[in-house]
Amino acid sequence: AQSVTQLDSQVPVFEEAPVELRCNYSSSVSVYLFWYVQYPNQGLQLLLKYLSGSTLVKGINGFEAEFNKSQTSFHLRKPSVHISDTAEYFCAVNSGYSTLTFGKGTMLLVSP
Amino acid sequence: KAGVTQTPRYLIKTRGQQVTLSCSPISGHRSVSWYQQTPGQGLQFLFEYFSETQRNKGNFPGRFSGRQFSNSRSEMNVSTLELGDSALYLCASSPSPGDTYEQYFGPGTRLTVT
Repeated sequence: AQSVTQLDSQVPVFEEAPVELRCNYSSSVSVYLFWYVQYPNQGLQLLLKYLSGSTLVKGINGFEAEFNKSQTSFHLRKPSVHISDTAEYFCAVNSGYSTLTFGKGTMLLVSP
Repeated sequence: KAGVTQTPRYLIKTRGQQVTLSCSPISGHRSVSWYQQTPGQGLQFLFEYFSETQRNKGNFPGRFSGRQFSNSRSEMNVSTLELGDSALYLCASSPSPGDTYEQYFGPGTRLTVT
């Protein structure tokens, strides 16, 4: 069975600073990995996905993530964050059909 | 294209009652999944439907059930509500039966059980 671990429940950062949100997964089969963002009182929006090919994946809003098979990681990065990036971020792995297994989430808090 | 819509957006029910939540997927999407989101347990998969058939089911008691109609719209039902059922219920749709496709989420229905 697949599982996802997000190592930080909360990450505080100042505006315009870089940020990395960490995600590790465990799976016995090929993985398809996703990062979603959830703004307050909203559903989840897809930031980026890794299905195959290049291990560096670029997404929306300037985010990118790197798939590292040997370390079973899929960390999310942004070189310079904005106040509007304040939200909860979820890492997920496809676990059969159209089912996703999510991590517990990381709250990104951007302050001026 | 319109996104995934869920109705109602907010719901307050009393313990012991039952509730039905509705989800309309993006036009052309045939797979619909349901998730429960709570502060303690995070996002947990409930079930997934494709072409009116349940393809996958999470680890929830039988009080939680769902169905999908021929137009791909889906409903989920929770009977004999418990306080612990208070949560944000999210519906997501996918464009095809492919296992690799991302899911598109609706805004959710926030259920409060008193």
